[in-house]
Amino acid sequence: AQSVTQPDIHITVSEGASLELRCNYSYGATPYLFWYVQSPGQGLQLLLKYFSGDTLVQGIKGFEAEFKRSQSSFNLRKPSVHWSDAAEYFCAVAYSSASKIIFGSGTRLSIRP
Amino acid sequence: DVKVTQSSRYLVKRTGEKVFLECVQDMDHENMFWYRQDPGLGLRLIYFSYDVKMKEKGDIPEGYSVSREKKERFSLILESASTNQTSMYLCASRRQGTHYEQYFGPGTRLTVT
Repeated sequence: AQSVTQPDIHITVSEGASLELRCNYSYGATPYLFWYVQSPGQGLQLLLKYFSGDTLVQGIKGFEAEFKRSQSSFNLRKPSVHWSDAAEYFCAVAYSSASKIIFGSGTRLSIRP
Repeated sequence: DVKVTQSSRYLVKRTGEKVFLECVQDMDHENMFWYRQDPGLGLRLIYFSYDVKMKEKGDIPEGYSVSREKKERFSLILESASTNQTSMYLCASRRQGTHYEQYFGPGTRLTVT
């Protein structure tokens, strides 16, 4: 079955440190990949998406992600985190053969002052 | 900007009550979705709708039904609420096509006592 794995349930980083959140998807047809962020008590907001072309995509709020087909990964990165980045982050994938978007279980990010 | 609104941010209902959660989107999107979100379980798809009067079961449809009489509105119905349906409910919409992202509402936190 098609799936998305976010291996880290909870990550804590210091403010100003770099961040990488991991995401792996199961092999399938051409994947369409997304990262969403959810602030406490809110809905999900799209950070960035990848469909084709350059494998390094830029998103909002200074985030970027890199698609690596050989590793079935789409990791999210930020060079320097801010306290306001504390939130839950969801990776998601859609395939050309299906209409649903499949979400990972999420990674909660905490920021250490 | 796409806007997805949900009728209530917080809702408290009693066991056995019939509960309606309403979702409205203003961008003429064909697809609409209902998820529930529980700690550690991520987003689980309850039902989705490709278009008006069309619906399909998601991963956890038991105890729920849906209605889509108009394109902009997608309702989630709990026929007889139970305490295990206490959760955050998120509605989303998307333009038809795999490469389009979903837009989420702010969520409804439902408590069943």
